[in-house]
Amino acid sequence: DVKVTQSSRYLVKRTGEKVFLECVQDMDHENMFWYRQDPGLGLRLIYFSYDVKMKEKGDIPEGYSVSREKKERFSLILESASTNQTSMYLCASSFPRDYHEQYFGPGTRLTVT
Amino acid sequence: QKEVEQDPGPLSVPEGAIVSLNCTYSNSAFQYFMWYRQYSRKGPELLMYTYSSGNKEDGRFTAQVDKSSKYISLFIRDSQPSDSATYLCAMSINGAQKLVFGQGTRLTINP
Repeated sequence: DVKVTQSSRYLVKRTGEKVFLECVQDMDHENMFWYRQDPGLGLRLIYFSYDVKMKEKGDIPEGYSVSREKKERFSLILESASTNQTSMYLCASSFPRDYHEQYFGPGTRLTVT
Repeated sequence: QKEVEQDPGPLSVPEGAIVSLNCTYSNSAFQYFMWYRQYSRKGPELLMYTYSSGNKEDGRFTAQVDKSSKYISLFIRDSQPSDSATYLCAMSINGAQKLVFGQGTRLTINP
C-alpha cells in the first residue's frame, strides 16, 4: 500500500515564524508535490520536485521554498509565515510514467495567527 | 478565467439517485482527465482517469470526456451514503507531470 505521511495534522504558528512542513513517501516515487487547498479555490500547486535536489515552481510559489535532500522526503518551508498562508497543505507523490495518479497525504491544517 | 471550472455545490441527493458532476476547461492541450475523491479530513485519492476522449466505466462510476465542448462528466449510479465526499476533477497535458485541479464539488447522499 502506498503511503504518504505528513509530519503534523494540525499546526498553529505565529506571524513571522519560520515553518517547516515535512512529507515522506514510501513508494520510491520520483515526483513529489506540495499543494494548498482553500475553499472555493481547489488545489493549487506550490512547488514540485521530479528528482532529488530538483524543484520547479508551481502556480503560487511566493512566500514558500522547498527542499528535497532525499528521494523519499520533500519539505515545504514558509520563510516568514503570514496570516494569508493559513490553509490546508497537501503533499503528493507519483511516478513520472503515471503522473496522472498522484498519491496524497492526509494534509496539514496550518493556522497562522 | 480559470483553466478548469467546477461548480463547488454543495450537491445533496437521495440515496439511489444518479449523480452527475461536471467540469469545463479552456486549455485544448489537456489530454488526461481525472476524477479524484476526497473524504472529509483525508487527502484526495484517484477514482478514475480517461485519456483523450470517450467514456470509461468502473462499477457504478462512468467518466465521460467531450473534447469538442471542453467538458467532462462523472456519473454515479445507484448512489450510496458512502459516496458522500468532495469530488475533484483534474487535467493534464501529456507528459507535463503537473495536474490542474477544479475547485471540487461537495456531494452528500442522504439515506
